[in-house]
Amino acid sequence: SQTIHQWPATLVQPVGSPLSLECTVEGTSNPNLYWYRQAAGRGLQLLFYSVGIGQISSEVPQNLSASRPQDRQFILSSKKLLLSDSGFYLCAWSVPGADYEQYFGPGTRLTVT
Amino acid sequence: QKEVEQDPGPLSVPEGAIVSLNCTYSNSAFQYFMWYRQYSRKGPELLMYTYSSGNKEDGRFTAQVDKSSKYISLFIRDSQPSDSATYLCAMSGPIQGAQKLVFGQGTRLTINP
Repeated sequence: SQTIHQWPATLVQPVGSPLSLECTVEGTSNPNLYWYRQAAGRGLQLLFYSVGIGQISSEVPQNLSASRPQDRQFILSSKKLLLSDSGFYLCAWSVPGADYEQYFGPGTRLTVT
Repeated sequence: QKEVEQDPGPLSVPEGAIVSLNCTYSNSAFQYFMWYRQYSRKGPELLMYTYSSGNKEDGRFTAQVDKSSKYISLFIRDSQPSDSATYLCAMSGPIQGAQKLVFGQGTRLTINP
């Protein structure tokens, strides 16, 4: 069966510090991968998605970036965090062609202080 | 106007009651309609999806889509305290691109024993 991992689970970072969140998927090949952010009491906002290694599409211009160095690895990064970057970051995967079925990881709760 | 509107609640009902959760949308190109359940501090879990109009049943859960009214519903029968969670609707269609889901804000539901 497929499993999706995210780490760390919780992170507290000062403003201006760098960020690296990692997501890996097991049990499937060539998945589509997604990064979402969920602010308190709000729905999910799509940040990035990837259909293959090195292929990244950005949905929202901001100080975040994403990379996909391996087929089942997706990384979210920032060089300098802002207070507004605080939130719950979720990674998801889907089978290409069935992207309406997205499966989410456990999430990383980021607090920027 | 948001593409997907969902009453954030909170909604509190007694155990055993029938729960009705709803979303409205404005984009007539949406074709896939999903319901996710999210427990506190966890990633969303896909409950079910429906393609186009109609009903779909899975155990105590029934999803309904009325494309003519741009209205979708999730019914929970014989509600249990374990159903207490935030329920998110999500939609996708070709105009959004196969990779993109649009989420509602989520409705927080509490089932009281």
